[in-house]
Amino acid sequence: GAGVSQSPSNKVTEKGKDVELRCDPISGHTALYWYRQSLGQGLEFLIYFQGNSAPDKSGLPSDRFSAERTGGSVSTLTIQRTQQEDSAVYLCASSLDLQETQYFGPGTRLLVL
Amino acid sequence: GENVEQHPSTLSVQEGDSAVIKCTYSDSASNYFPWYKQELGKGPQLIIDIRSNVGEKKDQRIAVTLNKTAKHFSLHITETQPEDSAVYFCAAKTGGADGLTFGKGTHLIIQP
Repeated sequence: GAGVSQSPSNKVTEKGKDVELRCDPISGHTALYWYRQSLGQGLEFLIYFQGNSAPDKSGLPSDRFSAERTGGSVSTLTIQRTQQEDSAVYLCASSLDLQETQYFGPGTRLLVL
Repeated sequence: GENVEQHPSTLSVQEGDSAVIKCTYSDSASNYFPWYKQELGKGPQLIIDIRSNVGEKKDQRIAVTLNKTAKHFSLHITETQPEDSAVYFCAAKTGGADGLTFGKGTHLIIQP
């Protein structure tokens, strides 16, 4: 079946602009995760959803970052007023539930100029 | 929180030889340990995982061992092939509601 999909695959934006990244999980997966991968920080967990709920937002790097999930499926990660240090690959993963294997999407490569 | 250390950062082996990558973790509550392979420009792909009620798991040329007492786990790849060249990440997760904590990755190079 189809895997996790993410869009756009690449995004170039100017400093100060807002960006929205989208994740479409594997059908039937109730848990969804966002990670960030950068040269300096490696693979870094940001936030998870169980259904539409994100109980813990403490992993988000700053209050410029927000995420939502509606209908228990698609999720969006929004970065407001982007900064150059936000440049990274943003990865989404999904799993059947919180204790099961996580399957990753191809990522969105964000470059902030 | 959890901290995962991974060694080596780069590993070069001759085609056909074995490769071993080692990871240690800090949180004794961690009970799930996956390994991912990442090729350039792609997302991480799960290759094998192990839970803390098991000491070893094998899938063809790939095996993972877990020592809960010492808090370390290792990936073993036998009969390496050129397509095994990639970056490999270990990770750990507790039974709670949180994400994976990853090691820094190992760049595996298979020399022909």
